[in-house]
Amino acid sequence: TQLLEQSPQFLSIQEGENLTVYCNSSSVFSSLQWYRQEPGEGPVLLVTVVTGGEVKKLKRLTFQFGDARKDSSLHITAAQPGDTGLYLCAGEGSSNTGKLIFGQGTTLQVKP
Amino acid sequence: NAGVMQNPRHLVRRRGQEARLRCSPMKGHSHVYWYRQLPEEGLKFMVYLQKENIIDESGMPKERFSAEFPKEGPSILRIQQVVRGDSAAYFCASSPSDRAYGYTFGSGTRLTVV
Repeated sequence: TQLLEQSPQFLSIQEGENLTVYCNSSSVFSSLQWYRQEPGEGPVLLVTVVTGGEVKKLKRLTFQFGDARKDSSLHITAAQPGDTGLYLCAGEGSSNTGKLIFGQGTTLQVKP
Repeated sequence: NAGVMQNPRHLVRRRGQEARLRCSPMKGHSHVYWYRQLPEEGLKFMVYLQKENIIDESGMPKERFSAEFPKEGPSILRIQQVVRGDSAAYFCASSPSDRAYGYTFGSGTRLTVV
C-alpha cells in the first residue's frame, strides 16, 4: 500500500516568515501534485511535478520533487495572510490510472 | 467553460435513508474520480469511472456504496442505508485522460447523517 506522510500537520507563523512543508513516502510515484483547499471548497491544483529532481516555482512558492520520486517539498517565502489554508500533497499511484494518494494535509495559518 | 459541478452542496439524511450525490465532469473530460474526506483527514480515493464502466473501485466500501457514470448524464455516487459514519465531504474530480494531469475537483457534497 502506497502512503504519503505529510509534515507538519499544523503550522502557525507570522507574516513575512518562510516555511517548508514536506511530503514523504517509501514508494515511488509517477507524478506528485500539490493542492490548496479552502474551507468548504474542493482542492485546487497548484502544481504537478513529474521528473525526479524537478523544481517548479509559482511566485513565492517553490516545489521540489525528490531525485528518487519518493518525496516532495513546498517552500513558501515571505508568507502572507492570504496563504492561509490547507495544503495537500498527492501522488499518482503505481496503477497509473490517475488514482491519487493524498497526504493528511498541512493546515497553515499566517498571522498579520 | 464550467468546472466540475457537484450537487447538492449540502445533504442531510436520516440514518437508514439513501443518499445520491451527483457529479458532472468538465466538458471534454470522460474520466471521473470520487474521493471522501472525513473530518481532520486527507482525501481517500473511492472509485474511478469512465463512461459506462467502473475501472477501479478498490476504495469503495463493500456494502451500501455504488457508483455509476452513464452514457448520458452525470456520475452518481449512491449510499444506501446511511449511517452516522458516512458523514463526510465527498469530492468528485474529472480528468481528460487516465492520468492525474489536468485533474479538476468539484466543490464537494457535504453529507450529514442525523
